[in-house]
Amino acid sequence: GENVEQHPSTLSVQEGDSAVIKCTYSDSASNYFPWYKQELGKRPQLIIDIRSNVGEKKDQRIAVTLNKTAKHFSLHITETQPEDSAVYFCAASSSSASKIIFGSGTRLSIRP
Amino acid sequence: ETGVTQTPRHLVMGMTNKKSLKCEQHLGHNAMYWYKQSAKKPLELMFVYSLEERVENNSVPSRFSPECPNSSHLFLHLHTLQPEDSALYLCASSQLTGTGWNTIYFGEGSWLTVV
Repeated sequence: GENVEQHPSTLSVQEGDSAVIKCTYSDSASNYFPWYKQELGKRPQLIIDIRSNVGEKKDQRIAVTLNKTAKHFSLHITETQPEDSAVYFCAASSSSASKIIFGSGTRLSIRP
Repeated sequence: ETGVTQTPRHLVMGMTNKKSLKCEQHLGHNAMYWYKQSAKKPLELMFVYSLEERVENNSVPSRFSPECPNSSHLFLHLHTLQPEDSALYLCASSQLTGTGWNTIYFGEGSWLTVV
C-alpha cells in the first residue's frame, strides 16, 4: 500500500545552523506534498507545500525540494531559531485518493 | 482560529463507559477525518468521510464508531475502550477537488485517557 518514510526521527542542530528532513513516498501517482509543524501541545499546521509540477519552493527560511524520479522530497530550514523546535511531518497525496499519507515525524530541537 | 473545533478537549473515561467526541468545521470543506496520535504512531488515520459518506476505515476496532450527520459535523462514539486507546484524537477537514492538492486543517485535538 501507499507509504511515506521520514528521516531522521530526531534531529538536534545548533541555533543558526540548517536543518534538513527527508521523506520518500511509494505511490508514483502522488502529486501533492505538504509539510506540517506541530509545536508541543498544539495542532499540526501546514507550513509549506509543493505540487508535483514544481521542483523547489521557498518561503523565507523554509524550502522544500522534490525529486519525482527518485520519489524523494525534503524540507530545508536555514538560520534555525528556537521557535523552530517542534515535530515536523511530511505527507503525500494523489488525485485518486481521498486521504493523505503522513510520515512518522521528526522531532527537531534547536540548541542555544 | 476557529476553523476546526473539537470538544471535549480532555476526557477521562472508564473501560465500561460510553462517550463521544465532537468535531465541527467552519471552513465549508467536503471531507472530514479522524486521526489518532500516540507515541507509537504519530499520525494514524482512522476514518475519512467525503460528502458525508465513509470512504476510508483503516481497520479500526469496532469500539470506535464514527458518525457524520452533515458535512460540518463529525462524531467519534467510544465504548468499552482499552487503556491502550489513550491518545490524542485529532479531527481534520479538507476540500477534496479531485486534483489531489489536499490541504488538511486540524482541530486542537481531544486528549483521551482510559482508566
